[in-house]
Amino acid sequence: GAVVSQHPSWVICKSGTSVKIECRSLDFQATTMFWYRQFPKQSLMLMATSNEGSKATYEQGVEKDKFLINHASLTLSTLTVTSAHPEDSSFYICSATPLGVGLGDTQYFGPGTRLTVL
Amino acid sequence: GEDVEQSLFLSVREGDSSVINCTYTDSSSTYLYWYKQEPGAGLQLLTYIFSNMDMKQDQRLTVLLNKKDKHLSLRIADTQTGDSAIYFCAESEGGYNKLIFGAGTRLAVHP
Repeated sequence: GAVVSQHPSWVICKSGTSVKIECRSLDFQATTMFWYRQFPKQSLMLMATSNEGSKATYEQGVEKDKFLINHASLTLSTLTVTSAHPEDSSFYICSATPLGVGLGDTQYFGPGTRLTVL
Repeated sequence: GEDVEQSLFLSVREGDSSVINCTYTDSSSTYLYWYKQEPGAGLQLLTYIFSNMDMKQDQRLTVLLNKKDKHLSLRIADTQTGDSAIYFCAESEGGYNKLIFGAGTRLAVHP
């Protein structure tokens, strides 16, 4: 149980285009989904926290107009990288916390999406 | 802000025990976690410990927590080649769901 999927698993795009990444909780409903970014050989950096039906909360230094997050249902959150540039190339990972779970409880992670911007 | 620190690399022989260490700063963390990441993949939750515990054992994994020193360790008994991966320590910031990750410890298991 508690499987999180991401689509696509990898994407290559041209500079200036927008890319949408989907994060789905397959066998549970998620009140909260998180989006992380991971640079090579580095840790995960939280970009934003997304709650179903409300606006995402972005971490300091993350441009909300560049990284658009939509959490329209309890099983789906999307991250759109708008006008992507080579410096946006990274590994993007989402996670989800099951509905009804208490504070501080487990996040289940997706397999990640590798974005390469040419 | 909150910070989590780990050593970056550990090399062990197959069959030996591995001990990965972590220090954290947020004394209000409710849970502390260990995640495993294999190349090109997402994170897999290995185990977690509630902040009022000092030890948790789960098969080959033993987690020790020294809350006074804000030190967490993960011991893997009888380490196998399949254990080669990056191991991340994480604390829950302020007791909430927001996780702060360490830089990860790369575990290399050799014959």
